[in-house]
Amino acid sequence: DGGITQSPKYLFRKEGQNVTLSCEQNLNHDAMYWYRQDPGQGLRLIYYSQIVNDFQKGDIAEGYSVSREKKESFPLTVTSAQKNPTAFYLCASSGTAMNTEAFFGQGTRLTVV
Amino acid sequence: GDSVTQMEGPVTLSEEAFLTINCTYTATGYPSLFWYVQYPGEGLQLLLKATKADDKGSNKGFEATYRKETTSFHLEKGSVQVSDSAVYFCALIPNQAGTALIFGKGTTLSVSS
Repeated sequence: DGGITQSPKYLFRKEGQNVTLSCEQNLNHDAMYWYRQDPGQGLRLIYYSQIVNDFQKGDIAEGYSVSREKKESFPLTVTSAQKNPTAFYLCASSGTAMNTEAFFGQGTRLTVV
Repeated sequence: GDSVTQMEGPVTLSEEAFLTINCTYTATGYPSLFWYVQYPGEGLQLLLKATKADDKGSNKGFEATYRKETTSFHLEKGSVQVSDSAVYFCALIPNQAGTALIFGKGTTLSVSS
């Protein structure tokens, strides 16, 4: 089955530790995205990538980093510089044609204690 | 910049009631418009979309019409079911290459039997 896989579904980390969230897609999509979801805030764009080895900051990139070494993979690292990292993180992918919709993974809930 | 505003919830309805969730947008040019649905603990699923003015998107009994003159894309369903209980997000993507979906804050729908 084609789709987007995020792992793990739940992740707990101690404050001050970096943590990497995994996102893999087998839809042959060129574009991939990371969003953060907080209650009442909707989805806010962290980073996105339109092609391998290239990515752009979204609206809330501070405290996060990404890499895009392979078309299928777009991992997100939440660094210790992120002041409030506890949230639900959603990865998505899409084709690069204009007006195309994005497909989402099941999300990773990160809790920092 | 481009933005999406949707009615705040929660929206609470009885089964078989009529549903409207309002969505308006601000954008330059002619964006594509989307409704996504999120069930508890899951990622987002595309519900319907419209890519140009006067287009009507429809799926599973839900409909929305792209109204350029009022910059709106209201979601409607004639008879809701308990299984429709979820969070609904209105979104747009600008009509230019290399951009990402912009979301509203989401509207929680609760349907009781």
